[in-house]
Formats: sequence, C-alpha cells, structure tokens
Amino acid sequence: AQSVTQLDSQVPVFEEAPVELRCNYSSSVSVYLFWYVQYPNQGLQLLLKYLSGSTLVESINGFEAEFNKSQTSFHLRKPSVHISDTAEYFCAVSGWGATNKLIFGTGTLLAVQP
Amino acid sequence: EAGVTQSPTHLIKTRGQQATLRCSPISGHTSVYWYQQALGLGLQFLLWYDEGEERNRGNFPPRFSGRQFPNYSSELNVNALELEDSALYLCASSLRLENYGYTFGSGTRLTVV
Repeated sequence: AQSVTQLDSQVPVFEEAPVELRCNYSSSVSVYLFWYVQYPNQGLQLLLKYLSGSTLVESINGFEAEFNKSQTSFHLRKPSVHISDTAEYFCAVSGWGATNKLIFGTGTLLAVQP
Repeated sequence: EAGVTQSPTHLIKTRGQQATLRCSPISGHTSVYWYQQALGLGLQFLLWYDEGEERNRGNFPPRFSGRQFPNYSSELNVNALELEDSALYLCASSLRLENYGYTFGSGTRLTVV
C-alpha cells in the first residue's frame, strides 16, 4: 500500500518569492507521483506527474518537481510565485500496475500575499 | 471535448435521507473514481468502477454504494445520511485501468442538515 505526507497545511509567501511545497511518500513498490491543484470552488487539475525517465518534471506555468527515490520525496517548487497561484495543492501517489488507485495527501494551501 | 461532468453542483439533504450523485466521464474513459473531500481530511478514496464492475472500495461503510452504467456514467448513493457526510464529492475518470493521472470533475457539494 502507498501513503502520502504533506507536512505543511499552509504556506504563506509573498508575491515573486520562491516557494517549495513538500511531499513525502511511502510505498513498497515502484510508484507514479502527481501534483494536483485545486482553485476555490473547483475540482482538481493535474499540474504535473512523474511516471519514469527524468526525475525533474515541469508544468506549463513554471512549477517543477523532482522525484528523489532515496528520500522518497516529490517536492514542488516555483522560483517566483504570483497571486494567481493561490490554491490548494495535493500530492498523490500510485503504485505501478493497472490495479492501483491514486492516494492523496491532505493538501497544502499556498497563500500568496502582495 | 467535454470534461468530467457532475450533477448536481450542490445538494442539501436532511439527516437520515438518501443522496444520489451523478458523474459522466470523458468520452472514451471507462474507469470512474469517486473521492470524498471533507474539511481538513484531504481526498479519501471511495469507489472505483471500470467496465460496469466495482474494482476497488475505500474504507467507507456499506451505506456508500454506487454503480456504473453501460455508457460508463456512474452514480454514487449515500443512504442514511449523517452530518459528517457533508463534503465535496469528486468524480474522476481515466482510460481503462490507467493510473497515469485522472481527470476530475468540479464536484458535488453535499450538505447534510
């Protein structure tokens, strides 16, 4: 079975500052890793994912995450945040294989202040 | 291409009543997943349907049930509603048995009073 830990429930940051949202996972098998974003009163949108290959994955809006197998982490980073990045961010993990479902962390609220 | 659609957007029920939530997956997607997002608890996996069959079930009581229809749309039923069932219920879909990332709908906000 897999599990995900997002230690920070809320991360306040000023606009144009860098940010890192932490995600650690636990699994006895190889995994796929995901970051989803949820804007107020909306569903979840896939931000980026790691399936295989390069351990550094990027999104179209400047976020990136690095898969670190030795530290079982998949932290999300952005070098300069905007007010519009304010949202809830969820890390998720799935074991390899078609029968595995996505397991989500409890989420981190990124609050960008002017 | 239409995304995952859920109805109704909001639902208010009285404790003890039954609630029915509906989900239409993206065209071509045969797997449908239901998650409960209660305040402060993140997303909890509820149910997974594929090709009309229940593939997996989360740690929820039997009064949470559902089904998938031949057109791959799905229904979530919650019987004997309790106050703590108040939550955002999210539906997601994917290609058959593919776990490379799901596409989510906007959810149904269920309020039990």
